[in-house]
This record gives sequence, C-alpha cells and structure tokens, in this order.
Amino acid sequence: KAGVTQTPRYLIKTRGQQVTLSCSPISGHRSVSWYQQTPGQGLQFLFEYFSETQRNKGNFPGRFSGRQFSNSRSEMNVSTLELGDSALYLCASSARDRAETQYFGPGTRLLVL
Amino acid sequence: GENVEQHPSTLSVQEGDSAVIKCTYSDSASNYFPWYKQELGKRPQLIIDIRSNVGEKKDQRIAVTLNKTAKHFSLHITETQPEDSAVYFCAASRGSGGSNYKLTFGKGTLLTVNP
Repeated sequence: KAGVTQTPRYLIKTRGQQVTLSCSPISGHRSVSWYQQTPGQGLQFLFEYFSETQRNKGNFPGRFSGRQFSNSRSEMNVSTLELGDSALYLCASSARDRAETQYFGPGTRLLVL
Repeated sequence: GENVEQHPSTLSVQEGDSAVIKCTYSDSASNYFPWYKQELGKRPQLIIDIRSNVGEKKDQRIAVTLNKTAKHFSLHITETQPEDSAVYFCAASRGSGGSNYKLTFGKGTLLTVNP
C-alpha cells in the first residue's frame, strides 16, 4: 500500500496569513492525527479525526483547526500565522482495528517570516 | 494529562556497543507504548511497540521492556551500527479499540553510533 502523503512539503508564509495543509492516509485507514514538531517542544499532538469527527484535541489555540473528508483525507488550517508556528507538521494515520499504531507522513515544513 | 519523560537526551556509543533509552509516564491508564526512529530530514518510523499485557518484546537487535508498576519502559539496541544513528522517540497512549486516544511523546534521544 502507498504510505501517508502530505502536501505541500514546504511552505513559506508571512505573519498574519493563513495556511492549509493536506494529508492523505494509507488506503483503508480511517483515523488521522496531526502533530507539530519543533526542536524545543518535540512532537506535540494537535488533533485526531475519525470518520469525519474530531475525537481528541491537544492544547493548541483556536487558530489551529482541522477537518476530515468522507474519503478520510484530512486538512489542517492555521489562521493568523505567528512566527512561532514555524515547524514541521506531521500527520499520521492508523487503521480502525489497530487504533494505536500510527504511520507518519513525510511532513510539511512551514516557515513563517 | 499524560506526561512522558525520556532520558538521556543525547547518547553516544561505539559501534557494536549496546544503547539503552529510558522513558517514564504519568498516566497509569496508558496501555500502549511505541518507539519511533527519526533520521535527519525524514518521517518518524515505528520500530517496535509494546502493550501493557506484555513485559518484554524483541525484534532482532531491538527490545523493549515495560514495568507497569514503576511506570517506565526502555528501548534496548544491541550490537549498534552506524545506521542506528537517529533520534528515537518514546510515546504512550491509553486508547484502544477505537476509543479516544492520542500519542504523548517524549522529547527524543539523539543516538550517535561512532564507527
């Protein structure tokens, strides 16, 4: 099976702009989680979607939002970008019957200037 | 919420030596503990995981041990090779069977294997 894919791979934005990142899970996987990775904070959980419903959310401001479509593809949106939002954004998918085992995509590296 | 502490933050070993990375967790309800390896510029990749009903699991040169009473788990790599050099992350979660869950990660350990 093809792995988790993310687009775009790299993105440069300026403060105040908004950005939308996309994640396509492994075929058949219905759960998609999003993580922010920075050198200082490591991997931090943003949110998790299953069957188009957000089931869990991390401690991030409301500027971070997401959604999942009927084909399990997911998007996350960050509005009013801040310099501190510069990070690698990773999504991970998992199968319904092995909910914990997550497979990561290559990530989208976002730079906010 | 869950908190995962990981030590050491950096580890340097000679090729052929063993490496041990330790993690502690705070949520006694956590029951799934994966380990990920992330090479520079690449995605985290699952290398081994263990569930709370098992005390130890091995896969070739890699093993993980879990002590539920003490709430800690460890990654052991034997006969290290230069290609083992990477950042290793431990994680913990409490969900299974479709219930709400999330992975809480440790801060990572940079392992360097010197030839």
